Amino acid sequence: GQQVMQIPQYQHVQEGEDFTTYCNSSTTLSNIQWYKQRPGGHPVFLIQLVKSGEVKKQKRLTFQFGEAKKNSSLHITATQTTDVGTYFCAVTSGTYKYIFGTGTRLKVLA
Amino acid sequence: GAVVSQHPSRVICKSGTSVKIECRSLDFQATTMFWYRQFPKKSLMLMATSNEGSKATYEQGVEKDKFLINHASLTLSTLTVTSAHPEDSSFYICSGGIAGNEKLFFGSGTQLSVL
Repeated sequence: GQQVMQIPQYQHVQEGEDFTTYCNSSTTLSNIQWYKQRPGGHPVFLIQLVKSGEVKKQKRLTFQFGEAKKNSSLHITATQTTDVGTYFCAVTSGTYKYIFGTGTRLKVLA
Repeated sequence: GAVVSQHPSRVICKSGTSVKIECRSLDFQATTMFWYRQFPKKSLMLMATSNEGSKATYEQGVEKDKFLINHASLTLSTLTVTSAHPEDSSFYICSGGIAGNEKLFFGSGTQLSVL
């Protein structure tokens, strides 16, 4: 079946440092979504990328979809303690069924 | 944004009993409801996909007779864990989708503990 790996699995950063998580799929994707799950909470939709090479920004967050539509990245500039949580990518390969990546847990040290 | 209400948020039950989890889409009609299971510090594992008025489609390895899913209306989907055992203890979370909108709206989750 489809596999979606995220690296790193964990990341601890000092507040103010940058953070990047990568999502890699074994198959070509129709689109990719990113979600954030705070500790004890549920996933919250951040963004969807559809086009090859697409780059979208949300304040300090930059999302990128690879040219081959098999990978994506989420970059956070100057992390804050409010960025703590687990970041998941979610993918669909044509069917209306979303498979979540393995997730990257971010801890921000004040 | 769209809201999915999930109840109960936490349930503790004895081994062998059945537990029903409800998910309601409050301000939209969820044409599709996804049920996920999440172990501590792990990713969300898709269990099944259900469309209103039809049988759910289960993922490989998920027992359909153990995890009964009913999607009787566009605003309500239920997951019943039958004859629960300690290994069924987990965080169960639903998410609703709207036709034409690929964003998923998640319920707040149910932490099930089977003693």
